[in-house]
Amino acid sequence: DVKVTQSSRYLVKRTGEKVFLECVQDMDHENMFWYRQDPGLGLRLIYFSYDVKMKEKGDIPEGYSVSREKKERFSLILESASTNQTSMYLCASSWAGEKLFFGSGTQLSVL
Amino acid sequence: DAKTTQPPSMDCAEGRAANLPCNHSTISGNEYVYWYRQIHSQGPQYIIHGLKNNETNEMASLIITEDRKSSTLILPHATLRDTAVYYCIVRDFLNTNAGKSTFGDGTTLTVKP
Repeated sequence: DVKVTQSSRYLVKRTGEKVFLECVQDMDHENMFWYRQDPGLGLRLIYFSYDVKMKEKGDIPEGYSVSREKKERFSLILESASTNQTSMYLCASSWAGEKLFFGSGTQLSVL
Repeated sequence: DAKTTQPPSMDCAEGRAANLPCNHSTISGNEYVYWYRQIHSQGPQYIIHGLKNNETNEMASLIITEDRKSSTLILPHATLRDTAVYYCIVRDFLNTNAGKSTFGDGTTLTVKP
C-alpha cells in the first residue's frame, strides 16, 4: 500500500517561529500537495508540486512556502507562524491525475 | 478542474442504502469523478472513481448520468462506521501536471442506528 507519512500528528508553536511540516511518500509519485482544513471550510489547496524543484501556488499560498528537493519529500514552511495558521494540515500525493493518497494530517496550534 | 456541488448533510438508517449526490455540470471530457471520505481527524480516503460508466468496488457503487453532469455514490448497506464527510471531486486523468483538485465542503453523512 502507498504510504504518505507526515512527520508530526500534533505540533504546538509560538507566534513568529519558523515551522517546517514534512511529508514523505513511498510510491515514486510525481505530484505532491499541501492542503489545510478548517471547520466549515473544507480542504483548501496551499501549494502543489508536479516534479522535483517545481511548485505551483494553490488557492491560499500567502504566508507559506514549500520545498521539494527530492521526489519523495515535500515540505511546507511557515516562515513566521501566526495564530491564523492554526489548522489541520494534510499532505497528499498522486501519480499524474490519478487518485490522491493522503497522510494522517498534522494538527498545528500556533500560540 | 471543474467544481462540484454537494448537499451539506444527509442522514441514513443503518443497514439501508446511502445515496450521496454530486453535481459537476462543468465537467470536461478528460475529467474523472472521484469520491473520497474523511472520518473525523483522519486524512481523506479514496473510495471510487469513474469516467462515464457506472463503477462498483468492495466499498461502493458510482452512478454517473449519461450527460456526466452529476453522479451518485451509493453505499449499499450503510453501517455506523460509514459516518463521515464525503467529498466528490473531478480530476483530469490525462494531465500529468495534475493541477488543482478543488475539494468543496463535502456531505456529512450520519448513519443512525
